[in-house]
Amino acid sequence: DAGVTQSPTHLIKTRGQQVTLRCSPISGHKSVSWYQQVLGQGPQFIFQYYEKEERGRGNFPDRFSARQFPNYSSELNVNALLLGDSALYLCASSRDRETDTQYFGPGTRLTVL
Amino acid sequence: QKEVEQNSGPLSVPEGAIASLNCTYSDRGSQSFFWYRQYSGKSPELIMFIYSNGDKEDGRFTAQLNKASQYVSLLIRDSQPSDSATYLCAVILIPTGTYKYIFGTGTRLKVLA
Repeated sequence: DAGVTQSPTHLIKTRGQQVTLRCSPISGHKSVSWYQQVLGQGPQFIFQYYEKEERGRGNFPDRFSARQFPNYSSELNVNALLLGDSALYLCASSRDRETDTQYFGPGTRLTVL
Repeated sequence: QKEVEQNSGPLSVPEGAIASLNCTYSDRGSQSFFWYRQYSGKSPELIMFIYSNGDKEDGRFTAQLNKASQYVSLLIRDSQPSDSATYLCAVILIPTGTYKYIFGTGTRLKVLA
């Protein structure tokens, strides 16, 4: 089975722009979570979606938003980009919410200039 | 106080030795505990999870959970140079019905050949 896939792999944006990152979960997985990881730190939880509903949110500003589609894929949107948004954005999927064993995709490296 | 704390390391052990990695968490409501390994430039990969007090063994890895003392540890027996990576501890919190998946900053392990 294919693992979690993310696109694009790398992205360069300038301050003030908007970006959309995409994630496809493992087949059969209904839950998708998004994380931001800056160098030298652990992943920071942004959102969790389960069955197309937001079930969890980390301490990120409203510039960050996400959604999950009927096929369980997901998009993360970040508006009004700041230099500090430069990071590796990770998507993880799990079969359901309660088991919560998450499997990570390869990530999208976002650079904001 | 950080919700999940790990010593950043590096922890250096000789090949064949036992590596002991520790993690403490602040919220007694924490429900599930995970250890991930992350190689430089790669996404985290699950090593094992533990839900109940005590030990859980999987091959060369043993996770230990002590909810009364609020710590979880990972032992790696017969450490190999290929085990050199950053080890991330993660904890699930479900305060007020929402969902948060909290990672520590990770401990960098170096296994010396």
